[in-house]
Amino acid sequence: DAGVIQSPRHEVTEMGQEVTLRCKPISGHDYLFWYRQTMMRGLELLIYFNNNVPIDDSGMPEDRFSAKMPNASFSTLKIQPSEPRDSAVYFCASTLDAFGSYGYTFGSGTRLTVV
Amino acid sequence: AQSVSQHNHHVILSEAASLELGCNYSYGGTVNLFWYVQYPGQHLQLLLKYFSGDPLVKGIKGFEAEFIKSKFSFNLRKPSVQWSDTAEYFCAVSTNAGNMLTFGGGTRLMVKP
Repeated sequence: DAGVIQSPRHEVTEMGQEVTLRCKPISGHDYLFWYRQTMMRGLELLIYFNNNVPIDDSGMPEDRFSAKMPNASFSTLKIQPSEPRDSAVYFCASTLDAFGSYGYTFGSGTRLTVV
Repeated sequence: AQSVSQHNHHVILSEAASLELGCNYSYGGTVNLFWYVQYPGQHLQLLLKYFSGDPLVKGIKGFEAEFIKSKFSFNLRKPSVQWSDTAEYFCAVSTNAGNMLTFGGGTRLMVKP
């Protein structure tokens, strides 16, 4: 298995533009998570899905952020409009079971820079 | 809800020194415990995990961690660190009552050659 695949690896965009981050989880993993990592705030859970259904989006910072999972093999995180304070590394992770007993498998992340 | 505390935000060691990173969690029920490592510029990788059995868990690269239930702790140890261990280390906990991992704030380890 190729693991959790995220694209793009790096994204530089101008303030006000729409940004879409993509994630392909490991096949068979029923849970998918989006995290954001910054120096100031560390690792923050934004939203997670179970069987393509959003379960908890309480970590999404504001309405500019939205996430979808149209099928078991694809998820997107969209920021519209983007702002400089959104600059961070965004990680996607997937896991097999309800308790994360096998841990989470993380993608390589997308480093977003909003100028 | 559970929470995780990592006491040391930054640790600097010389090569061959022994390492112990603290991790405490707050949750009264059954927990699953993890340590993840993030090397510079890379994603998080699982270092070791505990969810039952022997409270002393051996992981990759010579790391180990001990679950002490009475202290709500899961400290990470390595007898002799190497320069290549320079990374950020995250403790995490999940519970059998839910399915989310809760991460600690991380500890940045720098090993001087």
